[in-house]
Amino acid sequence: EDKVVQSPLSLVVHEGDTVTLNCSYEVTNFRSLLWYKQEKKAPTFLFMLTSSGIEKKSGRLSSILDKKELFSILNITATQTGDSAIYLCAVDGSARQLTFGSGTQLTVLP
Amino acid sequence: GAVVSQHPSRVICKSGTSVKIECRSLDFQATTMFWYRQFPKQSLMLMATSNEGSKATYEQGVEKDKFLINHASLTLSTLTVTSAHPEDSSFYICSATPWGGPGELFFGEGSRLTVL
Repeated sequence: EDKVVQSPLSLVVHEGDTVTLNCSYEVTNFRSLLWYKQEKKAPTFLFMLTSSGIEKKSGRLSSILDKKELFSILNITATQTGDSAIYLCAVDGSARQLTFGSGTQLTVLP
Repeated sequence: GAVVSQHPSRVICKSGTSVKIECRSLDFQATTMFWYRQFPKQSLMLMATSNEGSKATYEQGVEKDKFLINHASLTLSTLTVTSAHPEDSSFYICSATPWGGPGELFFGEGSRLTVL
């Protein structure tokens, strides 16, 4: 059974701080790892990672995958209150469907 | 990007009634759509994989007679919660991919169901 574990479960920081969110996984047949941001409604796509060691970047957000150690991190620099959300990590694995982690609840205080 | 529309966004119903939720891919064809359920402060749990023109594949523990899924066309899947009970109250989200996925999934806006 595919498994995705995220840490920490929740995080509270102040504006301007940098945060690192972690995602580790165990899947039988890895295809890709995806990061989503969920505010009040449905998740919105952030990144899809398939190759190890290649950083994906979008503004203040970046993510990298380590296929040898089976984990990924999502970095957010110079955090803003609008970054407050649940960040979900998901893996496309053996069953050709996404397995989601429990999510990290990020709260950015002004 | 690809757009997935879900309706209704919020529904309140009485116990024992049935509720239908629609999921449409607006600008692409989706052979496969996925239905998830999310409880407060928890992650998305896959309920079923909906395949156009065939029966849905349900995850273990999901009652197929209670959560009826129909994928009648390449752009529409419906989830019907039959004889709803208060414990069915939850946030239901559909998703689809234009690439025979999953890969990058595009999510609907979600439907919050409250059963009184």
